[in-house]
Amino acid sequence: AQSVTQPDIHITVSEGASLELRCNYSYGATPYLFWYVQSPGQGLQLLLKYFSGDTLVQGIKGFEAEFKRSQSSFNLRKPSVHWSDAAEYFCAVALGGGADGLTFGKGTHLIIQP
Amino acid sequence: EAGVVQSPRYKIIEKKQPVAFWCNPISGHNTLYWYLQNLGQGPELLIRYENEEAVDDSQLPKDRFSAERLKGVDSTLKIQPAELGDSAVYLCASSSPGAGDTDTQYFGPGTRLTVL
Repeated sequence: AQSVTQPDIHITVSEGASLELRCNYSYGATPYLFWYVQSPGQGLQLLLKYFSGDTLVQGIKGFEAEFKRSQSSFNLRKPSVHWSDAAEYFCAVALGGGADGLTFGKGTHLIIQP
Repeated sequence: EAGVVQSPRYKIIEKKQPVAFWCNPISGHNTLYWYLQNLGQGPELLIRYENEEAVDDSQLPKDRFSAERLKGVDSTLKIQPAELGDSAVYLCASSSPGAGDTDTQYFGPGTRLTVL
C-alpha cells in the first residue's frame, strides 16, 4: 500500500531563515505529489503539485518543491519564512492521478520564532 | 467564485446519537470527496463520488457511516449511531478532471465533530 512519511512532527524556524520540510513516499511507481498547508480553523490549501516534467516545482506564497525519484522524496522549501507561514503542512500522493483520493502524511507543524 | 461550503462548522452530540454533515462543492466540480481528519493526523479518504456514483467507498465504515449525492451536486455524510472515537474533523473536497486546473482538490473548512 502507498504511504507517505513526513519525518518531522514539529519544526521551529526563525523568521527570515530558510525552510525545508521533508516528505518521502513508498510506492512502486511515481505518484502524483502534492503539498498542502492548513492554518488553524482553515481548510487545506494547495501550495504546489508535481505530475511530470521539471522536477523543481514552483508554488504559491514563495514555496517550491523538488522531486527526487532516486530518493522517493518531494521536499518543500522556502528561502525566507514569514511569521504568517506558521501552520501545518501536509504532503500527499495519488497513484492514478489527482482525481483519485489522496494519501496524506501525518503533517509537519511549523513554528516561526521572531 | 465560492469555494467548497460545509455545514455545520461545529457539532457536539452525545454518543449513540445520529449526526449529518453537508457539503456543497465548487460549481461544476463533478468529483466530490469526504475525508476524516483525526487530531494530529493527516486526512484519510472516506469516499469519492463521480457525479452521483460512489466510485471508491472502500474506507467508509459502512456499519455506521453512510453518504449520498443524489443529484450529483450536494452531498451528505451521516453517522448513526455516533461513537466517542468519531470525534474528528470531517473534510469535504471537490475537483473537476478535465478543467484547466485538472486534478486539484479544493477543500472546505471542515466540520469539527465532538462526541460526548
